[in-house]
Amino acid sequence: ILNVEQSPQSLHVQEGDSTNFTCSFPSSNFYALHWYRWETAKSPEALFVMTLNGDEKKKGRISATLNTKEGYSYLYIKGSQPEDSATYLCAFNGNNRLAFGKGNQVVVIP
Amino acid sequence: EPEVTQTPSHQVTQMGQEVILRCVPISNHLYFYWYRQILGQKVEFLVSFYNNEISEKSEIFDDQFSVERPDGSNFTLKIRSTKLEDSAMYFCASSALAGGYEQYFGPGTRLTVT
Repeated sequence: ILNVEQSPQSLHVQEGDSTNFTCSFPSSNFYALHWYRWETAKSPEALFVMTLNGDEKKKGRISATLNTKEGYSYLYIKGSQPEDSATYLCAFNGNNRLAFGKGNQVVVIP
Repeated sequence: EPEVTQTPSHQVTQMGQEVILRCVPISNHLYFYWYRQILGQKVEFLVSFYNNEISEKSEIFDDQFSVERPDGSNFTLKIRSTKLEDSAMYFCASSALAGGYEQYFGPGTRLTVT
């Protein structure tokens, strides 16, 4: 069983503040680490696929880093906006099957 | 922008009945997947499918489950005799290539077994 953990499970952020959360995953048999943004009743939206140790990716105000040696990834949201409210899922790709964490539920308070 | 679609969005069925969940993956994708999420739990991998056969399946995917690509566009998940514990959100996903490539998810089918 692949153990993928995300913390904190939920967080409330004031509009305009920046925030970050963590995904930890097994450091062996690593193919890729995926981040998804998931709003209720919608498809999980692919944010990033990260494959190399030290990778940093950015999409607008959202960015992510990857450390495959110690088995963690950080997701950052800069200047949070109400539309950033969602659950952010990370998934470890060990062999084309994704093992998900429980998600980081973010609520941005206007 | 191309997207994965799933039907129905919600299916209610009685225990012991067969259900078929349908998915239309992105048209030029070659790899297809089913995942599920039981309420309050993590999203779990069920099965991956490539070149008209199952490439990998999890311990959840027992003999009650089957997948099929009946034509060039649809990808289906069948549960032969549903149990209460099959109640979950079922997600279909597709990707162009295997390995470290994005898997694109559909919006899910909520299956409720009563």
